[in-house]
Amino acid sequence: GQNIDQPTEMTATEGAIVQINCTYQTSGFNGLFWYQQHAGEAPTFLSYNVLDGLEEKGRFSSFLSRSKGYSYLLLKELQMKDSASYLCAVRATAGNNRKLIWGLGTSLAVNP
Amino acid sequence: EAGVAQSPRYKIIEKRQSVAFWCNPISGHATLYWYQQILGQGPKLLIQFQNNGVVDDSQLPKDRFSAERLKGVDSTLKIQPAKLEDSAVYLCASSLGPLSSYEQYFGPGTRLTVT
Repeated sequence: GQNIDQPTEMTATEGAIVQINCTYQTSGFNGLFWYQQHAGEAPTFLSYNVLDGLEEKGRFSSFLSRSKGYSYLLLKELQMKDSASYLCAVRATAGNNRKLIWGLGTSLAVNP
Repeated sequence: EAGVAQSPRYKIIEKRQSVAFWCNPISGHATLYWYQQILGQGPKLLIQFQNNGVVDDSQLPKDRFSAERLKGVDSTLKIQPAKLEDSAVYLCASSLGPLSSYEQYFGPGTRLTVT
């Protein structure tokens, strides 16, 4: 079956660094997305990885290891506004289609 | 560039009633998605359109849910009759196409409460 695992909740301090892990078991792999979702709002795109390695975009970086079925999102210099849910999603193969499989999200609380 | 538009933003109905949601994707986006997101969970894909054709509706409860995208632009999602467990946020998203690298842009969602 298709499965994505991420921690349910994490807590960090303003100015610190936090790493949110995501492991996946899917049929086929065609890329991994990270989305940010603030409470009561829609998800917004953060990053996309399809090849192994680290993708850096400002304070946010995303890493992928396809052989390990593993990704992480690294947030540096945490700010209060980074308190949100972070969703890992994998584009897997389902029959002739490529379906986006979503994790349950990691709720990050940034404390002063 | 205008984002994905959805209406209404909030809806409260009684069980067994009907409800419809509307979505207008970003101009030029061929692929449109309807998701159901229950509080504390990730989005669950209900249906995916490529232009006006259905690509994936494997998780759509077809006995009560229906969706259409007649002219390949706007879309409507209907629930008839609603059940208590349908209480959720219904998100519409669009992307340029179905290719793996295309990110999805989400609308603000419709929060449905079934009493």
